[in-house]
Amino acid sequence: EVQLVQSGAEIKKSGESLKISCEASGYNFLTYWIGWVRQVPGKGLEWMGIISPGDSDTRYSPSFRGQVTISADKSISTAFLQWNSLKASDTAIYYCTRGYHDSSAYSPGYWGLGTLVTVSS
Amino acid sequence: SYELTQPPSVSVSPGQTARITCSGDALSNHFASWFQQKSGQAPVLLICRDSERPSGIPERFSGSSSGRTTVTLTISAVQPEDEADYYCLSADTTGSYGVFGGGTKLTVL
Repeated sequence: EVQLVQSGAEIKKSGESLKISCEASGYNFLTYWIGWVRQVPGKGLEWMGIISPGDSDTRYSPSFRGQVTISADKSISTAFLQWNSLKASDTAIYYCTRGYHDSSAYSPGYWGLGTLVTVSS
Repeated sequence: SYELTQPPSVSVSPGQTARITCSGDALSNHFASWFQQKSGQAPVLLICRDSERPSGIPERFSGSSSGRTTVTLTISAVQPEDEADYYCLSADTTGSYGVFGGGTKLTVL
């Protein structure tokens, strides 16, 4: 069974750094794209970026390029989303996703439960 | 930057058919996916590759492409539990990144 287990909720201050995680299990971690999706409470879904753990190919939405870093550690089947300097506008739920097919960069078929990040100014 | 356009809301009565469209210039070149999100829950993939239904998704949900700039999610025999937000997702013109549509709130009257 495919599982994406995300790290717990975070409360941070503006300017602080943060790294949240997504531990994958139940499949070959190297074979499927892993992505991140943002949802500000009450708003729509925003595609942030994806990584192919097998070759570290990483793609970002222009809206998020330079604002976050997506990475993956093959040894522990875990993907990460990282900020160097948080802003209040980063307050949102962040979902980890996995492609439905092994070639699916843009069809996330499996979703984690989300990590709520709250940033106070 | 690239955008996908959805109607903000669609309303139907139970048992009727709901159609939700998603428009974007690159949809003729890239597959689209559709997601359902109920309040307080993570999204669920309903359709991938324009019209492929993942296992476990009821046949009432179907996807189609005009072959040009619009894809459509069709929900047949709508049920009260189908009330949710629906999103399309596809790649930008170069296939370099993904984009979600703005979402459509389906109301079952």
